[in-house]
Amino acid sequence: EAQVTQNPRYLITVTGKKLTVTCSQNMNHEYMSWYRQDPGLGLRQIYYSMNVEVTDKGDVPEGYKVSRKEKRNFPLILESPSPNQTSLYFCASSLTGGLGNEQFFGPGTRLTVL
Amino acid sequence: AQSVTQLDSQVPVFEEAPVELRCNYSSSVSVYLFWYVQYPNQGLQLLLKYLSGSTLVKGINGFEAEFNKSQTSFHLRKPSVHISDTAEYFCAVSEWGYNFNKFYFGSGTKLNVKP
Repeated sequence: EAQVTQNPRYLITVTGKKLTVTCSQNMNHEYMSWYRQDPGLGLRQIYYSMNVEVTDKGDVPEGYKVSRKEKRNFPLILESPSPNQTSLYFCASSLTGGLGNEQFFGPGTRLTVL
Repeated sequence: AQSVTQLDSQVPVFEEAPVELRCNYSSSVSVYLFWYVQYPNQGLQLLLKYLSGSTLVKGINGFEAEFNKSQTSFHLRKPSVHISDTAEYFCAVSEWGYNFNKFYFGSGTKLNVKP
């Protein structure tokens, strides 16, 4: 089944404790992206990757890091999480960036930073 | 696109009634436009998209949207809603040209279909 998976689905952590949220897709997509969803703000793009080893900032990259060492994986790293990073995070992938391609979304990771 | 505005945060409607969810965007270049739906506790799914050509776009589940370039709008419509359409709907935009890899989403509209 074609899908985007994220792990963990739920995470409660404390301020300053480094964490990684994994994202993997099995559709051989070139483009992958991370979003955060907050009430009243919709989805905001954190980082995106056009292909392996190519990443760029979205609208809200502060406090996050990403890497794209393999085509299928695009982990999101919070090196020193803070309470304002409490949010619902979505990973998405599409065949290529732009060109109006559909993005396929993962199920989401709900992160709480105490 | 600098911004995507969904004017209605919540839209209550009775079953079998028509509905329109509004979306306006601001951009100085040509854009691709999307509507996504999010059912409770799930990720987003594509409903429909406008790339070019006919301004009336039909999507899944009986939804359609009309692109109006002069008004920079992309409103979503359904002539008769069902209980199962209860969900949150997001309008999204990506631009042609330099920023084509970036996506901008609206704040969402919660559609609540009542029996």
